[in-house]
Amino acid sequence: KAGVTQTPRYLIKTRGQQVTLSCSPISGHRSVSWYQQTPGQGLQFLFEYFSETQRNKGNFPGRFSGRQFSNSRSEMNVSTLELGDSALYLCASSLARGMGRDEQYFGPGTRLTVT
Amino acid sequence: AQSVTQLDSQVPVFEEAPVELRCNYSSSVSVYLFWYVQYPNQGLQLLLKYLSGSTLVKGINGFEAEFNKSQTSFHLRKPSVHISDTAEYFCAVSGDGGYQKVTFGIGTKLQVIP
Repeated sequence: KAGVTQTPRYLIKTRGQQVTLSCSPISGHRSVSWYQQTPGQGLQFLFEYFSETQRNKGNFPGRFSGRQFSNSRSEMNVSTLELGDSALYLCASSLARGMGRDEQYFGPGTRLTVT
Repeated sequence: AQSVTQLDSQVPVFEEAPVELRCNYSSSVSVYLFWYVQYPNQGLQLLLKYLSGSTLVKGINGFEAEFNKSQTSFHLRKPSVHISDTAEYFCAVSGDGGYQKVTFGIGTKLQVIP
């Protein structure tokens, strides 16, 4: 099976712009989660989508949004970029049978640099 | 609410020496516990997980972890490390019941010294 893919791998944007990142989960996985990874902060949970519905949300401002399509592919959008948004954005998919026991499979991430 | 504390941000260790990476968690419900590893410029991959049953869990690449409910810990160990084990290691917790999100620790960088 193909793994989780994320596009683009690297992105440079300027403050005030917006950006859209894409994630294709493993075939058959219906849950997609997004994380922001920065040095010293570890992985911060952004949100999780399951069957096109946002099922969980982290503590990020409304500038961060996402969606999931019927084929389980997901996108996340960040509007009005700030310098502090520079990070590695990781996408993870899982079978998400519920009850927290499922392993997550991570993509390689999108490295976003805001200048 | 749940949280994870990884007590060491960096752990240097000589090749072939044993290593322990510490993880403590807090949760108001029953938990599932995970260790993930991230090699440079890659995403995370699962090393091992505790769901239930035996408290000693064996994973890939010779790693193992022990779930200690009374100490609320899930420390990761390897008896003899290799250069290839140099990576960042993340402990994670997920609660039982409903659709639980996963909470990750801040990570521990393991540096194996030749």
